[in-house]
Amino acid sequence: KNEVEQSPQNLTAQEGEFITINCSYSVGISALHWLQQHPGGGIVSLFMLSSGKKKHGRLIATINIQEKHSSLHITASHPRDSAVYICAVRMPGGSQGNLIFGKGTKLSVKP
Amino acid sequence: NAGVMQNPRHLVRRRGQEARLRCSPMKGHSHVYWYRQLPEEGLKFMVYLQKENIIDESGMPKERFSAEFPKEGPSILRIQQVVRGDSAAYFCASSPYMKNTGELFFGEGSRLTVL
Repeated sequence: KNEVEQSPQNLTAQEGEFITINCSYSVGISALHWLQQHPGGGIVSLFMLSSGKKKHGRLIATINIQEKHSSLHITASHPRDSAVYICAVRMPGGSQGNLIFGKGTKLSVKP
Repeated sequence: NAGVMQNPRHLVRRRGQEARLRCSPMKGHSHVYWYRQLPEEGLKFMVYLQKENIIDESGMPKERFSAEFPKEGPSILRIQQVVRGDSAAYFCASSPYMKNTGELFFGEGSRLTVL
């Protein structure tokens, strides 16, 4: 069974700050997802990655397979980035969508 | 709106009643996944379906819960004889046939409250 740990649990930042959210897992995986859940609850998929780095706008996700660690970075943070960010992993051989989720990191960006 | 549609958004049931949650995937998507988010807990995978087939139900509770994705119409998650512990947000996601980008598209969720 894979344990998915996120840190920090809560994060408060000032607008414009560079933000890093971390995710570590205990067993090898085939893919890792980063998700965003806004107040009110809707979930948006931000990234799926199995190696290296991906960038979309102000968001960057990296993964280090050897270290079993991924990071989500937000550059020039904005109050609209306030949300819960969730890391989820898929086990090798696991069916699509059968993910193990972290408990999330609650981000609050103050103006 | 071509996104994943879930309804109802909010559902209140008394203990012992049945709850039916519906999920219409994005147009062109043939794979549907259901997840449960208990209060103050993380998301948990429940079931993965393709049209008329259950592919992976390893996360489904053994009793009272069932899911289907018929040839026509939405996917349905059915909870019989609900108990207070079933109160949660239930999310559906869909994806196209996987080549594979692996991206999932989520609905807004259905929030079940059991009185």
